[in-house]
Amino acid sequence: QKEVEQNSGPLSVPEGAIASLNCTYSDRGSQSFFWYRQYSGKSPELIMFIYSNGDKEDGRFTAQLNKASQYVSLLIRDSQPSDSATYLCAVNPRGHSGAGSYQLTFGKGTKLSVIP
Amino acid sequence: DAGITQSPRHKVTETGTPVTLRCHQTENHRYMYWYRQDPGHGLRLIHYSYGVKDTDKGEVSDGYSVSRSKTEDFLLTLESATSSQTSVYFCAISGTGEAFFGQGTRLTVV
Repeated sequence: QKEVEQNSGPLSVPEGAIASLNCTYSDRGSQSFFWYRQYSGKSPELIMFIYSNGDKEDGRFTAQLNKASQYVSLLIRDSQPSDSATYLCAVNPRGHSGAGSYQLTFGKGTKLSVIP
Repeated sequence: DAGITQSPRHKVTETGTPVTLRCHQTENHRYMYWYRQDPGHGLRLIHYSYGVKDTDKGEVSDGYSVSRSKTEDFLLTLESATSSQTSVYFCAISGTGEAFFGQGTRLTVV
């Protein structure tokens, strides 16, 4: 059983601070990694994906991947109250180069609360 | 939204009745998924499809069946609904790795 683990939270950070969200996965062969944001009562929306070790930045978001440690994280800089949501980590055993997507496995999510 | 429509959005049904949920996409993506989301369990894969008439089971497939007769449509059927199948159901599609979700269907089995 492939597992994706996240701290359920809630994680509370003050407005303007850096929020750090963490995820570990059990399948060492996993190739691609995704972060989704889900507001209460809404569907998950993709915010970041990463395939290679290291950091990937997109605006206020930075995804970090360490395949040796089977660890992926999401940093949110200058956190805003609108960032308050549940963040889902997802892992795909297949790569992105033409193979498409198979069984995307999700963690249970970390609830983030940004305090004004 | 990435061209995904789920119907119905809300449904209340009685125990023992069959229920079919529909997912329709306009993106021509190869892969389609059905997930259910429950408090404390997160998103769990029910079934997925990797092409027309090509489907496979996910983590929680018991009591569910699926069909995909066209690229754009993926149907999820609860053969005889039970109260444990009360949940929010999400359809997702994927072409090159990342998945995009529909709006969800809230199903209540009474």
